[in-house]
Amino acid sequence: IVLTQSPATLTLSPGDRATLSCRASQSVGSYLAWYQHKPGQAPRLLIYDAFNRAPGIPARFSGSGSGTDFTLTISSLEPEDFAVYYCQQRSDWPPLTFGGGTKVEIK
Amino acid sequence: EVHLVESGGDVVQPGGSLRLSCAASGFTFDDYTMHWVRHVPGKGLEWVALINWDGVNTYYADSVKGRFTISRDNSRSSLYLQMYGLRTADTALYYCARGMPYNFDFWGQGTLVTVSA
Repeated sequence: IVLTQSPATLTLSPGDRATLSCRASQSVGSYLAWYQHKPGQAPRLLIYDAFNRAPGIPARFSGSGSGTDFTLTISSLEPEDFAVYYCQQRSDWPPLTFGGGTKVEIK
Repeated sequence: EVHLVESGGDVVQPGGSLRLSCAASGFTFDDYTMHWVRHVPGKGLEWVALINWDGVNTYYADSVKGRFTISRDNSRSSLYLQMYGLRTADTALYYCARGMPYNFDFWGQGTLVTVSA
């Protein structure tokens, strides 16, 4: 299953709302996760099964969607949220697959 | 607290081999499926392999099948990745990740493998 993320880069200011998209080449049901990855750090699980926040993840992160179209929303960007975000499916494997990533950068 | 610490990354020539290790702590290691995921510089994340809790079932990405072997030693809370026939395309930061079981809820800091002549 190929996951296509858009846009490739999102340029926003702190306090803005960020909307990231992930589209699957075939239905993955609700088996879609989101990760945050900062340079020099380990990736961090944010959302699993489309809308469930992982433990310790702030409420400003939310996930939605099902089937082939999914969205990660960051309601109000904090300075620490500028990073690369990846979606990942576990519906049909192997292989487990990731999207190409969306970089959220500071305006 | 969950800790995953990878080691074994190095510079190796094409066709060479390398063994990566991941030391786990802070959780009951043999309760979990474990994975290797790699990050190619300037590109995205790629899942490499997984092993179930008792090591009986293993799965691989097509790009590494037949060249890499994932294994674990539950008595040592350790995960391994034996890599043979390394290619320049295998150059990446290799992460050990805990599975839940087919998402990744904790990751190590990674170990760098560079394949270059």
